[in-house]
Amino acid sequence: SQTIHQWPATLVQPVGSPLSLECTVEGTSNPNLYWYRQAAGRGLQLLFYSVGIGQISSEVPQNLSASRPQDRQFILSSKKLLLSDSGFYLCAWMTRPPDTQYFGPGTRLTVL
Amino acid sequence: AQKITQTQPGMFVQEKEAVTLDCTYDTSDQSYGLFWYKQPSSGEMIFLIYQGSYDEQNATEGRYSLNFQKARKSANLVISASQLGDSAMYFCAMRGPSGVGYSTLTFGKGTMLLVSP
Repeated sequence: SQTIHQWPATLVQPVGSPLSLECTVEGTSNPNLYWYRQAAGRGLQLLFYSVGIGQISSEVPQNLSASRPQDRQFILSSKKLLLSDSGFYLCAWMTRPPDTQYFGPGTRLTVL
Repeated sequence: AQKITQTQPGMFVQEKEAVTLDCTYDTSDQSYGLFWYKQPSSGEMIFLIYQGSYDEQNATEGRYSLNFQKARKSANLVISASQLGDSAMYFCAMRGPSGVGYSTLTFGKGTMLLVSP
């Protein structure tokens, strides 16, 4: 069966510090991968998606970036965090069909 | 562009009763998919149920059913026999045509469901 992991689970970082969040999927190959952010009490905002190694599409301009160095690994990064980067970050992978997305446990990021 | 509207910020239901969570959508695509997810206080998004736009039967998964009314562009989630563990945030979501390779989901703002004893 497929499983998706995210780490760390929680993170507290000062403004201006770098960020690296990791997501890995097991039990499937060549999945579509997604990064979402959820601000407190809000819905999900799609940040990035990837259909293959090295292929990244950005949905919103911001100081975040994503990379996919391996088939089942998706990394979210920032060189300098802003207060507005605080939130709950969720990684998801997608089956075909019916293109259902399954989510990881998430990382709660607080920028102080 | 796709849009999902969930008009109920919060819903209250007593244990063992049924509850309907509303979802309306807007899209110009003929082929699309509709999803419901549950997000408990732990934060994880849990997939509940899926309905394809060409599916003639309403989707069901255990105590969850999706009341799909295509002409009205609604996809309401019905939870039968509510349990205390059903207390959570519920999100309706939509994707565009399948097989495009980069399907993305558009989410509504969610409905908070509280189940009381």
